[in-house]
Amino acid sequence: AQKVTQAQTEISVVEKEDVTLDCVYETRDTTYYLFWYKQPPSGELVFLIRRNSFDEQNEISGRYSWNFQKSTSSFNFTITASQVVDSAVYFCALSDWEAGTALIFGKGTTLSVSS
Amino acid sequence: DTGVSQDPRHKITKRGQNVTFRCDPISEHNRLYWYRQTLGQGPEFLTYFQNEAQLEKSRLLSDRFSAERPKGSFSTLEIQRTEQGDSAMYLCASSLATGGSGNTIYFGEGSWLTVV
Repeated sequence: AQKVTQAQTEISVVEKEDVTLDCVYETRDTTYYLFWYKQPPSGELVFLIRRNSFDEQNEISGRYSWNFQKSTSSFNFTITASQVVDSAVYFCALSDWEAGTALIFGKGTTLSVSS
Repeated sequence: DTGVSQDPRHKITKRGQNVTFRCDPISEHNRLYWYRQTLGQGPEFLTYFQNEAQLEKSRLLSDRFSAERPKGSFSTLEIQRTEQGDSAMYLCASSLATGGSGNTIYFGEGSWLTVV
């Protein structure tokens, strides 16, 4: 069965600190996709990144970076120089390759960035 | 290009009443999904459509839940005889499926349901 674990329920940092959100997944599929979404208080899930299981290259987008390691089934997300606007709930999700439909979400990590 | 829109954003209803939520996907997206999210949890997949065909509905929570997408554009999610346990946020999402490989799913802002 597929499963996503986000062990960190809540993280609090001060502005400009770097923070890493952990995501560990379980799947028997050999091909799959991993996602990160941000959910601000408004409720909308904002897409951040999609990564397929064949591409283990790390990715950087501005202050965001992602570290995908198949050997440890992890897909961690780092925010560099955090800002108050980064405060939100962050979800990691997994889907199979064939359908790419039903996302399996973790329980989310609530990030609070104070000034 | 507008995003996924949902209506109403908030609904308070009495136990036993029926409620219906509407979702308008991103235009040209052929797939539409419904998820449910309760407090402190990640979204939970309910059902999805490809065009007007409902391809997966086994994860609808009970036979009180039903969804339609009659013309392959907007969709409705109906909950009949609501119960307090149905209180949650109902999220709609859409994507453009391009044959086999995973696709990016874009979510709306959700419809909050409170059953009193």
